[in-house]
Amino acid sequence: GQQLNQSPQSMFIQEGEDVSMNCTSSSIFNTWLWYKQEPGEGPVLLIALYKAGELTSNGRLTAQFGITRKDSFLNISASIPSDVGIYFCAGTSGTYKYIFGTGTRLKVLA
Amino acid sequence: EAQVTQNPRYLITVTGKKLTVTCSQNMNHEYMSWYRQDPGLGLRQIYYSMNVEVTDKGDVPEGYKVSRKEKRNFPLILESPSPNQTSLYFCASSSQKTGGWGTQHFGDGTRLSIL
Repeated sequence: GQQLNQSPQSMFIQEGEDVSMNCTSSSIFNTWLWYKQEPGEGPVLLIALYKAGELTSNGRLTAQFGITRKDSFLNISASIPSDVGIYFCAGTSGTYKYIFGTGTRLKVLA
Repeated sequence: EAQVTQNPRYLITVTGKKLTVTCSQNMNHEYMSWYRQDPGLGLRQIYYSMNVEVTDKGDVPEGYKVSRKEKRNFPLILESPSPNQTSLYFCASSSQKTGGWGTQHFGDGTRLSIL
């Protein structure tokens, strides 16, 4: 099945640092989504993007829908220990089928 | 409290023994979906349903069945489970009316082990 290329696979950062991760696809999407998953739980939606070029923030998180509609970026500013988890991008081309990235595992060192 | 409830949370069973994982949501959502999560592969969509009696295949539907007889329930059926279906399964639901299809609410997962 189709997969998104998500990078990096994992990150170890110091508390207070900024974090960037991205996803690229061979297909055009009309919706990009970013989720966070913590151990023992299902993913929780962080940000939804619906238009090419859209830049949306949710607290310290900012995500962008790439102009080509084939990529998206998530930035976390001033990371804190509770940012630890796995971050997933997901996209859909409007057919109600969702394609997920393989995840970025984030660890924050206090 | 708005939630998606999956049962069981954990199951160890043997090859060939039919099993059903139930999923129920209390948000009156039209859209429901099943995913499996495997290490290094992220989440892959198995089946989804746009509404009662409307279902369609996701990326990895082989070996699975679903039904949507009621809006709140979307069971996942493994008629003859095999070891390659050992995985962590998630059910999700969403509504165009409340945040859009992308704002899926996920259950807490069902960990299946097929021996």
